[in-house]
Amino acid sequence: QVQLVESGGGLVKPGGSLRLSCVVSGFTFSGSYMAWLRQAPGKGPEWLAYISPSGGTRYYADSVRGRFSISRDNTQNSLYLQMNSLGAEDTAVFYCARPSQLRRWGFDYWGQGALVTVSS
Amino acid sequence: DIQMTQSPSPQPAFVGDRVSITCRASQSVSSDLNWYQQKPGKAPNLLIYGASSLHSGVPSRFSGNGAGTDFTLTISNLQPEDCATYYCQQTNTTPWTFGQGTKVEIK
Repeated sequence: QVQLVESGGGLVKPGGSLRLSCVVSGFTFSGSYMAWLRQAPGKGPEWLAYISPSGGTRYYADSVRGRFSISRDNTQNSLYLQMNSLGAEDTAVFYCARPSQLRRWGFDYWGQGALVTVSS
Repeated sequence: DIQMTQSPSPQPAFVGDRVSITCRASQSVSSDLNWYQQKPGKAPNLLIYGASSLHSGVPSRFSGNGAGTDFTLTISNLQPEDCATYYCQQTNTTPWTFGQGTKVEIK
């Protein structure tokens, strides 16, 4: 059974930092591209970043490039998102997901989501 | 960035009806177009990838077609559990972008 479990969300003040984690089981994590997305209240999902299986390739959306950093630990089947300089516009539910090369990069597995609230 | 624009939410439909949702890309995305279903408080679920391929486990009443800039998701024989918001997403060019969503309701 596939599971992606995010943790690390919460309330953070503007300008603060937060690190999200996503632990994966049920598929070959070390052979999979992985990604982070977010969804602000009442909005559609927004893709933020992806990372290649080895971690050697990372790509970011303009909205987070330079502030957020995606990384992974294949020995721990874990994906991370380090978020710095957070602002109110970053308030959202954050999801880790797998973009599948076999499915035109559609996200075939998702976590349950972690809520991040940026507020003073 | 490629903008994805979905049709407005249709009028509530009856169980058994056929419902279609359209998605238009601001430039060609070839067939790199995916559809998702999302229910409140849950993560999106992949329904269709590559514009017309049904993801495993998805009921056959869901179908997709289109190429280039214009795409359609069709739900035939609408069921109560199909009440949800549907999103299109292009993966032809980064940043991968989603439409704003179309809500399907049952009468």
